[in-house]
Amino acid sequence: QTVVTQESSLTVSPGGTVTLTCASSTGAVSAVYYANWFQLKPGQAPRSLIYNVTNKHSWTPARFSGSLLGGKAALTLSGVRPEDEADYYCLVRYGGPWVFGGGTKVTVL
Amino acid sequence: QVQLVQSATEVKRPGASVRISCEASGYIFVTYYIHCVRQAPGQGLEWMGVIGPDGSRPIYAQKFQGRLAMTTATSTTTVYTGTVYMDLSSLRPDDTATYFCVRERHGGVFDFWGQGTLVSVSS
Repeated sequence: QTVVTQESSLTVSPGGTVTLTCASSTGAVSAVYYANWFQLKPGQAPRSLIYNVTNKHSWTPARFSGSLLGGKAALTLSGVRPEDEADYYCLVRYGGPWVFGGGTKVTVL
Repeated sequence: QVQLVQSATEVKRPGASVRISCEASGYIFVTYYIHCVRQAPGQGLEWMGVIGPDGSRPIYAQKFQGRLAMTTATSTTTVYTGTVYMDLSSLRPDDTATYFCVRERHGGVFDFWGQGTLVSVSS
């Protein structure tokens, strides 16, 4: 069974930078995995941030960016704000099915 | 504007089935895929399945094969609305979760989400 692994938790100071990663048990993540990133806050529906590894939606704040880093998909938050405290999930495609990572809890402290 | 509006909270007994609807509007319905995602209490997001824009070729996570069925209903009056139904059968207490629908443009572009439907399974 395919497993997608993310850091369980990360802490960042306001104004700082943090990078979340998304690794696949099948090997290096590449563009064909169509990696997406989502932000989830308690009591809310997920919010789409990044699609196809690097692309932002019109509503995605400029401080969020996606990339490939060392065989993993990555989400970097630069100039972090208190409102960025949330859970972040990557989603990758394996042919037909998709698989979510376990999520990363980002604490702004 | 694009909207995905889901049906209301459901409370079910173990062994029962539940139907969740996801009414899409504000875009040409048949040009997007619709996925089903859930989040159990205290757990992460879980991908369950996807249905093609014309209702064909649903793909389900192996875990839900045989229990999940996704279907679509297109409007007869406008191309800008349609509904996706997510039927989950043989419910168990660990199916208690909030279920979401989310839209995908072909090529992995996920954008708009439904508001979520809470399904509670308890005897």
